Amino acid sequence: AQSVSQHNHHVILSEAASLELGCNYSYGGTVNLFWYVQYPGQHLQLLLKYFSGDPLVKGIKGFEAEFIKSKFSFNLRKPSVQWSDTAEYFCAVNAAGGSTLGRLYFGRGTQLTVWP
Amino acid sequence: GAGVSQSPSNKVTEKGKDVELRCDPISGHTALYWYRQSLGQGLEFLIYFQGNSAPDKSGLPSDRFSAERTGGSVSTLTIQRTQQEDSAVYLCASSPLGRADTQYFGPGTRLTVL
Repeated sequence: AQSVSQHNHHVILSEAASLELGCNYSYGGTVNLFWYVQYPGQHLQLLLKYFSGDPLVKGIKGFEAEFIKSKFSFNLRKPSVQWSDTAEYFCAVNAAGGSTLGRLYFGRGTQLTVWP
Repeated sequence: GAGVSQSPSNKVTEKGKDVELRCDPISGHTALYWYRQSLGQGLEFLIYFQGNSAPDKSGLPSDRFSAERTGGSVSTLTIQRTQQEDSAVYLCASSPLGRADTQYFGPGTRLTVL
């Protein structure tokens, strides 16, 4: 079965600090990888995704993530965070094919708090 | 356009009662998913409908949980004889035909079992 680990449960940063949130997954096959964000009081929304090709993907609001296949990792980065980035961030994977196509496996989430 | 909608937004019930949670997917989306977000547990897959195919129920935690999707659109998640551990936010998502890898989430229903 697939699983996703997010090692940081709560990250606290000051504005302009750099951010890196870790995500590791376990699955033997080809995967699609996602980062979702949930701002306070809002829906879960897609931040960025990786399906194939360039392992460095760019998302909305200046976020990027790098897929390192050998490490089964898909870490999220942002060079300079803003107060408005305060939210909960979820890493997720699904199988790129087969019977489990569609179902997402999520990590437990990382709460990011940015102080102005 | 309109996104995924869920109702009610909040539901408080007593232990042992049955509850029904509703999801209206984005119009035209063929796939519909239910997830559960428990405190400190992340999001847990429950069930997945794709068109007219048999649903993937492998994530349902017990036989007290069931879901149906009528007419390929609206879905209802039913929890019978609710327990306190069922308290969570229940999220619904939908995706278009052939794009099961891109899911759009609703606002969720917060269920509290007293």
